[in-house]
Amino acid sequence: SAVISQKPSRDICQRGTSLTIQCQVDSQVTMMFWYRQQPGQSLTLIATANQGSEATYESGFVIDKFPISRPNLTFSTLTVSNMSPEDSSIYLCSGHEGETQYFGPGTRLLVL
Amino acid sequence: GEDVEQSLFLSVREGDSSVINCTYTDSSSTYLYWYKQEPGAGLQLLTYIFSNMDMKQDQRLTVLLNKKDKHLSLRIADTQTGDSAIYFCAGDTGRRALTFGSGTRLQVQP
Repeated sequence: SAVISQKPSRDICQRGTSLTIQCQVDSQVTMMFWYRQQPGQSLTLIATANQGSEATYESGFVIDKFPISRPNLTFSTLTVSNMSPEDSSIYLCSGHEGETQYFGPGTRLLVL
Repeated sequence: GEDVEQSLFLSVREGDSSVINCTYTDSSSTYLYWYKQEPGAGLQLLTYIFSNMDMKQDQRLTVLLNKKDKHLSLRIADTQTGDSAIYFCAGDTGRRALTFGSGTRLQVQP
């Protein structure tokens, strides 16, 4: 099974600033995704991180707010831009290979 | 898009069996998954089932899939206090991204 790590594990940020979250997979995976889990809620897909091209965003999420990079098959970043308190959530990346999708431990973001 | 629904809460006694239920609207999912989330932790993949199967057993876990009724269940035998967590069912969207249910909080009473 793939092991996925994320940095930072948690952060407290001021409104108006930006935070970049890193996701590293210990093996090559075909697909990587970013999800958001708002407090007490389920997971919602933000975007599919495409290697070498622009990410594919879900309805309600835009590139200017959540720019994503994926330079290779094992690494991706998500930036939360111009943060507001409503962005306080857990952000999780995942890697999908074959039949299985594994998740990172999440980044817990609190925006003041 | 896919809608996935779960009951919010389940309480069982240690040693009993737990059954967590999930209903979904989109029958085109190829795989259906069960994840466990402990407090402050990420998602742990517990098991998954291919859509053309009716049942899958993995140690204490049994997954039942009723495609006609679009119903998925996870049975945990001999439930332990360490099983206390939130359990999410999820279906793939065909693009390999997952749509998650709302999660069921399982509380195991000693």
